Amino acid sequence: DAGVIQSPRHEVTEMGQEVTLRCKPISGHDYLFWYRQTMMRGLELLIYFNNNVPIDDSGMPEDRFSAKMPNASFSTLKIQPSEPRDSAVYFCASLEGAPLISGANVLTFGAGSRLTVL
Amino acid sequence: GNSVTQMEGPVTLSEEAFLTINCTYTATGYPSLFWYVQYPGEGLQLLLKATKADDKGSNKGFEATYRKETTSFHLEKGSVQVSDSAVYFCAVQGGAGSYQLTFGKGTKLSVIP
Repeated sequence: DAGVIQSPRHEVTEMGQEVTLRCKPISGHDYLFWYRQTMMRGLELLIYFNNNVPIDDSGMPEDRFSAKMPNASFSTLKIQPSEPRDSAVYFCASLEGAPLISGANVLTFGAGSRLTVL
Repeated sequence: GNSVTQMEGPVTLSEEAFLTINCTYTATGYPSLFWYVQYPGEGLQLLLKATKADDKGSNKGFEATYRKETTSFHLEKGSVQVSDSAVYFCAVQGGAGSYQLTFGKGTKLSVIP
């Protein structure tokens, strides 16, 4: 398996522009997570999906952020308009859900998308 | 909600030194515990995990024991190598039927020859 695939790996844009980050989860995984990593705040959960349905978006910082999962193999995180404080590394992760009595369910992370907003 | 407190870094050690990175957590129910490692420019990789009290997770010479009485999951390695230089994250999952991870702030380890 190719693992979780994210694109682009690096994005540099100007304030006010729209940014779209993409993620392809591992085939067969029914949960998908978007995290943001910054020096100040560490790793923060933004949103997660189960079977393509958003379950918890309480971590999405504001209305400028939106995420979609139109099918089991693709998700996007969009920022419109972007601001310099959105500069961060954005990680996508996927997991195969199963009853917790079977043991830990492991999140597998992509390599991340490093966003710089000037 | 869940939370993780992890010792602040950075930590600098000489090769073959003993490593301990402290981690304590708060969570309801019966959470699973993880250590992830992040090498420069890369994503997070699972290092080890434990799913119940007194479980010991181990991988690549690293170990951590799930201590429910002290709500701790300290990471240890008896003899570090230069290639262990990375950022280490402690994380807690679930405890209420949920799968998302809550991470500590991370500890940067540098191992010098």
